[in-house]
Amino acid sequence: EAGVVQSPRYKIIEKKQPVAFWCNPISGHNTLYWYLQNLGQGPELLIRYENEEAVDDSQLPKDRFSAERLKGVDSTLKIQPAELGDSAVYLCASSQRDWANEQFFGPGTRLTVL
Amino acid sequence: GNSVTQMEGPVTLSEEAFLTINCTYTATGYPSLFWYVQYPGEGLQLLLKATKADDKGSNKGFEATYRKETTSFHLEKGSVQVSDSAVYFCALTGGGNKLTFGTGTQLKVEL
Repeated sequence: EAGVVQSPRYKIIEKKQPVAFWCNPISGHNTLYWYLQNLGQGPELLIRYENEEAVDDSQLPKDRFSAERLKGVDSTLKIQPAELGDSAVYLCASSQRDWANEQFFGPGTRLTVL
Repeated sequence: GNSVTQMEGPVTLSEEAFLTINCTYTATGYPSLFWYVQYPGEGLQLLLKATKADDKGSNKGFEATYRKETTSFHLEKGSVQVSDSAVYFCALTGGGNKLTFGTGTQLKVEL
C-alpha cells in the first residue's frame, strides 16, 4: 500500500513569491491534515479536512495561506506571498475517519524562502 | 490547552545502553498518548500508543506506560542500536483527533 505522497520534496523561492504544495493521502483515508514543522520543533496543525470540508482551520494564517481539497482526495496548500519566516517543513498526514485513529505522515516539503 | 513537554536532546548513547526519554503532558479529559519517530530524511512514523491510564504501548523493543497520576508517558528501551538514531516525538490527542506534539528529542547511538 502506498503511503502519503507529497511534492515537491524541496522548494527554494524568494520572498513575496507564491508557492504551492501538493499531497495525495492514503487511499480510503477520509481525513487529511496539513502541519507546519519549524526547525527543532514538533509539528503544529494548520488545517484538517474531513473529506472535502475544512473542519479545523483555526491555526491557518488566512491572510497568506490557503488550502483546498477538491473531491475529497488530493489537497493543495498555498502561500501567497511567502515571507522569510515561512521557511519550514510542511507535512501532510491522513487517517481513517474514526476518532484517535493513527495518522500516517508524508515525508514533507522543505521550504526555504530567501 | 493541551501541551507536551519532552526532555531536550540530543541524547547520545553507546550501543546496547538503556534509553529513557521523559515526556509529561497537560490535557483536559482523557487523552490518547503517542510516540512518533522521525528517521533522517523520512516522515513521522507512529512508534507506539496508549489510549487509557495504565496501558502500556510497545513496539520494536520500545515501551511506554500511560501514567495518569504523574501525567507522564516516558519512552524506554533496554538496549539501543545504531539504527535507533532518530528524533522521537511525544504527542497526545484531545478531541477531534488533533495531535499536539512535544518539541522532539534527538537520539544518537554510537558504536
